[in-house]
Amino acid sequence: AQTVTQSQPEMSVQEAETVTLSCTYDTSESDYYLFWYKQPPSRQMILVIRQEAYKQQNATENRFSVNFQKAAKSFSLKISDSQLGDAAMYFCAYRTLTGAGSYQLTFGKGTKLSVIP
Amino acid sequence: DAGVIQSPRHEVTEMGQEVTLRCKPISGHNSLFWYRQTMMRGLELLIYFNNNVPIDDSGMPEDRFSAKMPNASFSTLKIQPSEPRDSAVYFCASLRDRHDYEQYFGPGTRLTVT
Repeated sequence: AQTVTQSQPEMSVQEAETVTLSCTYDTSESDYYLFWYKQPPSRQMILVIRQEAYKQQNATENRFSVNFQKAAKSFSLKISDSQLGDAAMYFCAYRTLTGAGSYQLTFGKGTKLSVIP
Repeated sequence: DAGVIQSPRHEVTEMGQEVTLRCKPISGHNSLFWYRQTMMRGLELLIYFNNNVPIDDSGMPEDRFSAKMPNASFSTLKIQPSEPRDSAVYFCASLRDRHDYEQYFGPGTRLTVT
């Protein structure tokens, strides 16, 4: 079974600075998706960024980028120019692309990010 | 589109009572998921449906939990009888098809069992 590990329960960053959230995963699959979801206090789950495992290029969405290291099974999220609205729980998630389990997401335990004004 | 709709948003009930959570997926989405979020266990998948058929219910904690999807636009998650340890936020999510990548989450139902 796939597992996703987020080793940082909490992180903080100064407004306008850069922060990196870590995620590692365990899988024997070669093709899969990886995601970062944001959950603000409203508890709505919001997709921040995704990465297809077959793509070597790291995904980028505005101030959010990832560092995807497939061999190391590492998938970190970098938030540049942090804003107060970035304060939230961030979840790393994995989705295989094969078999009956190819629909579901496996989540890490999350990292609570605080942004200091 | 209104997105995934869940009701109620909050539910407070007494131990032993039956609880029914409801979900309306995004129109045209073929897969529906029920997740539970707790501090201890994080976000975990309970069950998912594809084309209204349950595909994997291995995450359903016990027989007290049951889920149905009678049609493409409606699903329920029922807990009978409820227990305090069932207190959690329950999310419903939908996916257009297996080749799509984004699951769209509803706002969740916060369940408190006293």
